Amino acid sequence: ELKVEQNPLFLSMQEGKNYTIYCNYSTTSDRLYWYRQDPGKSLESLFVLLSNGAVKQEGRLMASLDTKARLSTLHITAAVHDLSATYFCAVDGMEYGNKLVFGAGTILRVKS
Amino acid sequence: KAGVTQTPRYLIKTRGQQVTLSCSPISGHRSVSWYQQTPGQGLQFLFEYFSETQRNKGNFPGRFSGRQFSNSRSEMNVSTLELGDSALYLCASSSEPGRTYEQYFGPGTRLTVT
Repeated sequence: ELKVEQNPLFLSMQEGKNYTIYCNYSTTSDRLYWYRQDPGKSLESLFVLLSNGAVKQEGRLMASLDTKARLSTLHITAAVHDLSATYFCAVDGMEYGNKLVFGAGTILRVKS
Repeated sequence: KAGVTQTPRYLIKTRGQQVTLSCSPISGHRSVSWYQQTPGQGLQFLFEYFSETQRNKGNFPGRFSGRQFSNSRSEMNVSTLELGDSALYLCASSSEPGRTYEQYFGPGTRLTVT
């Protein structure tokens, strides 16, 4: 069974600080996804990581994937209040019917 | 291009009733997946439809069912509602099954069971 673990589950940061969210998954997987969800809203796709060593950056967010360690990280640089949201990682794979299996999510609060 | 649309956006039902939720995929997308989001269980896959056929199903009781029409629109039905069915139901569409990397999520339907 494919399991996805995120940590921390809750993160309170000061504006301007850096931090990293970790995402571990239990078995081999084809792809790793990061999503953002604002309260009461749907999921917004941030990154899709398709291969070992993949790194993608968008603004203050950078995601990386290490398939050997079964680990992805979402690094936040110089946090700003607008980044406050819940961040989910998810994985899928052909052997799991290509359904997304999500982590529990990390609630990020950036304090000014 | 219009995004994924879901109707209704909010719904309040009573235990024991049934409910039908609708999802219209992005134009040209033929695969529709459904997910349930609750505070306790998080985001969980319900099922996926393509070409009017259910291709994959998550670990949910038979009270949860779905279907897809020839225009790719999909509906999900929950019968004999329980309090625990209160959730945000999200659908997502992609052009083909397995193309999760191009999947877009709809705004969701918030179901409250009282």
